[in-house]
Parts: sequence; C-alpha cells; structure tokens
Amino acid sequence: KQEVTQIPAALSVPEGENLVLNCSFTDSAIYNLQWFRQDPGKGLTSLLLIQSSQREQTSGRLNASLDKSSGRSTLYIAASQPGDSATYLCAVRKQTGANNLFFGTGTRLTVIP
Amino acid sequence: EAGVAQSPRYKIIEKRQSVAFWCNPISGHATLYWYQQILGQGPKLLIQFQNNGVVDDSQLPKDRFSAERLKGVDSTLKIQPAKLEDSAVYLCASSFYGGAVNEQFFGPGTRLTVL
Repeated sequence: KQEVTQIPAALSVPEGENLVLNCSFTDSAIYNLQWFRQDPGKGLTSLLLIQSSQREQTSGRLNASLDKSSGRSTLYIAASQPGDSATYLCAVRKQTGANNLFFGTGTRLTVIP
Repeated sequence: EAGVAQSPRYKIIEKRQSVAFWCNPISGHATLYWYQQILGQGPKLLIQFQNNGVVDDSQLPKDRFSAERLKGVDSTLKIQPAKLEDSAVYLCASSFYGGAVNEQFFGPGTRLTVL
C-alpha cells in the first residue's frame, strides 16, 4: 500500500528566505508526482506535476525534484513571500489502474513579513 | 472556463442526521472524484466515477455513505446516518478522463461538522 509522508508538518520562515519541503513515498511504482497548494477554506491548486521519467520541474520561484528510486521529492521555494503561506500537499499517482492520487499529510507554511 | 462547483460550502448537523453534498464538474470532464479530508490529513479518495459508472469505491464506507452520478455530469454524495468522525472537508474533483495522464481539478470543498 502506498504511503506518502511529508516533513516537516509545519514551517515558519521570515520573508525572503529560500526553503525546501520534503515528500517521501513507499512504493516507487508511480506514474507521476504532483505538488498542490491548499489555502484555508479553499480547494487544491496544482503547482507542479513531475512525470516519473523526469527529474525536476520549475515554475517561477518553485522547483520540484523527483528521485523515484529513493522515493523522494522536494519542493524548493525561492525568495519566500507572505502570499506563499498555505498548506502544501504532495500526491503520487499509481502506474496502473484508476487515476487515484495518494496524498501526504501536508506541510503548513507560514512566511512572516 | 468555470471550475468545479460544490455546495453547500459549510454544513453543521447533529450525529445520526443525514446530509447530502452536490458537485458539478468542469464541462466535458468524464471522470469525477470524491475525497474526504480530515483535519490535519491529506485527502483520501472515497469514490471515482467514469461517466455514470463507478471505477473505484473501495474506501467508501458503504454502510453509511452513498454516491451517485445518474446522468454522468453532476454528482451527489450522501451520508446517512452521520457520525462524529465524519467531520471533514469533502472535496470533489474532475478530470477529462480517468487515465493517469489526466490532471485532476478540485472544487472548494464542503466543510462538514458533526456535533
């Protein structure tokens, strides 16, 4: 059974700092991995999607890496801003079968002005 | 393009009462998902529909939860009777079709509190 873990559970940083969020998964037979952002009272917004054959994806100040063999992914946020404050979730998609996403428990990020 | 719509946004009920949630997916999306997100946890898939057929309901507590998507568009998730542990955010998502390459788009969720 796929288990996804995110560390740390919560993180507070001063504005302008670079930071890294971690995600690990137990079954390396994944199709892709996706990072989401969740704001209070709102749904999930997709940030980056990395296919299993890729090593990283970049979007603006965000960079996500994937090491499928070791079951790890990181989300790097450069020059953090107060607007980045949210919960960040990673999710992996199985290689076969239904389009199920297995989510981690999330990292709650607070960027202090 | 309109996103995934859900209603109501918030619901408070007493235990043993019944409740229903509604979801309208993005137009043209054949696949619809219901997730349960308990506070402090990641979302967990309850049921996946492809058009009006069920693809996966292995984690749906069928003794109290039911879901339908009769015309292959809107969907309703029902809980009857509700328990305290059902307090959670219920997220609906849709994708163009159910293959692994298809990105899921999420609605704002319905926050259920069972007292």
